[in-house]
Amino acid sequence: QLVESGGGLVQPGGSLRLSCAASGFTFKSYGMIWVRQAPGKGLEWLSYISPGSSIIYSADSLRGRFTISRDDAKNSLYLEMSSLSAEDTAVYYCARDRGYYSSGSYRDLWGQGTLVTVSS
Amino acid sequence: QSVLTQPPSVSAAPGQKVTISCSGSNSNIGNNYVSWYQQLPGTAPKLLIYETTKRPSGIPDRFSASKSATSATLGITGLQTGDEADYYCGTWDSSLSAMVFGGGTKLTVL
Repeated sequence: QLVESGGGLVQPGGSLRLSCAASGFTFKSYGMIWVRQAPGKGLEWLSYISPGSSIIYSADSLRGRFTISRDDAKNSLYLEMSSLSAEDTAVYYCARDRGYYSSGSYRDLWGQGTLVTVSS
Repeated sequence: QSVLTQPPSVSAAPGQKVTISCSGSNSNIGNNYVSWYQQLPGTAPKLLIYETTKRPSGIPDRFSASKSATSATLGITGLQTGDEADYYCGTWDSSLSAMVFGGGTKLTVL
């Protein structure tokens, strides 16, 4: 399973680090992604990291403010977020990625999500 | 504005069939696998279809999917009230070097 943590209330311009703890599978063997969903909106892909962290892709819309990383020894995925604004308010999900990312991989395991609220 | 275009909503009566379209381009659907996700209210997305037409174990055969050129379609037969959810398509876009999702379609079972 996947369990996200680290969400909460943060002031505009602030930073936050989300974590995703994996269990029940060989974490280091899988690509992982972060996806978010603003209130009442659809899914927005944020970032992908391959096994071994050799390949990382992030949405251009993030303008380099978010950084994905992983610690295979701790079976954990992270998302460092900075320069947060109200538009970043959303539920953030981590998910396990299967298949080859650039031919249309798929997410077969999702966390329950963690809510990030950016407000003063 | 989503790269993949889905109808905002569809509806049908219990027991009927419904299809949900996902329109893209050669840089995404046209040359890559498509996956579909079901998101029940207040829950995380759930994988319904992967590699364009395959169902994970546990997904009933009422759910099916296909692709033609740059469009993909999810079909649901024998509609049940429990199928009321948001449905999303997803794939890789080679021009953007990004994973992309459709805007989502809300299914109402009348």
